[in-house]
Amino acid sequence: DSGVTQTPKHLITATGQRVTLRCSPRSGDLSVYWYQQSLDQGLQFLIHYYNGEERAKGNILERFSAQQFPDLHSELNLSSLELGDSALYFCASSVGGGQAIGNTIYFGEGSWLTVV
Amino acid sequence: QKEVEQDPGPLSVPEGAIVSLNCTYSNSAFQYFMWYRQYSRKGPELLMYTYSSGNKEDGRFTAQVDKSSKYISLFIRDSQPSDSATYLCAMSANYGGATNKLIFGTGTLLAVQP
Repeated sequence: DSGVTQTPKHLITATGQRVTLRCSPRSGDLSVYWYQQSLDQGLQFLIHYYNGEERAKGNILERFSAQQFPDLHSELNLSSLELGDSALYFCASSVGGGQAIGNTIYFGEGSWLTVV
Repeated sequence: QKEVEQDPGPLSVPEGAIVSLNCTYSNSAFQYFMWYRQYSRKGPELLMYTYSSGNKEDGRFTAQVDKSSKYISLFIRDSQPSDSATYLCAMSANYGGATNKLIFGTGTLLAVQP
């Protein structure tokens, strides 16, 4: 158990709908990252927050948004869902915000999203 | 062209074999290199972390980085059925302390047969 908690574990929704994925980082971690894993694209970086501040964005669609709250939990909002958004969405956390030996990134178990 | 290329496999080996997993990359700014292991329907977990070029050994695992060739490897000695998983290479540049985002390879599926 990495200590990163994600809910829900599984979600099935229809095209055009909106869903919210939730993440609680490990105790003491200030950084939260979101990744998308699909069969054809692999594990893709979406966005990074550090202590409530957006630090980096990957190829995140405009239909997707995220935020990190004062209690450090994070939410990833996916709207106007399309079939191609079906994927495993991972949240990860680390203590610091930058790259450094010891700033290990720990991944949660993921949220399986199926869009039908 | 993807920044990180990894042979997706699958790779099947008998128990006790030496396994070699590899990734190539195109971004010369990458300085930090990692290998993650992902069991089916689980999150990736960090196996090895290497900074810049060189070798690092941890038990049955050895990570090698050759920055001049933009090539990294993970060797698993005396492979066990419990090593059966997807192995992902991951890399990061020095973003001036701003972020620790990782760029992943697509993963190699390894099966160790008893």
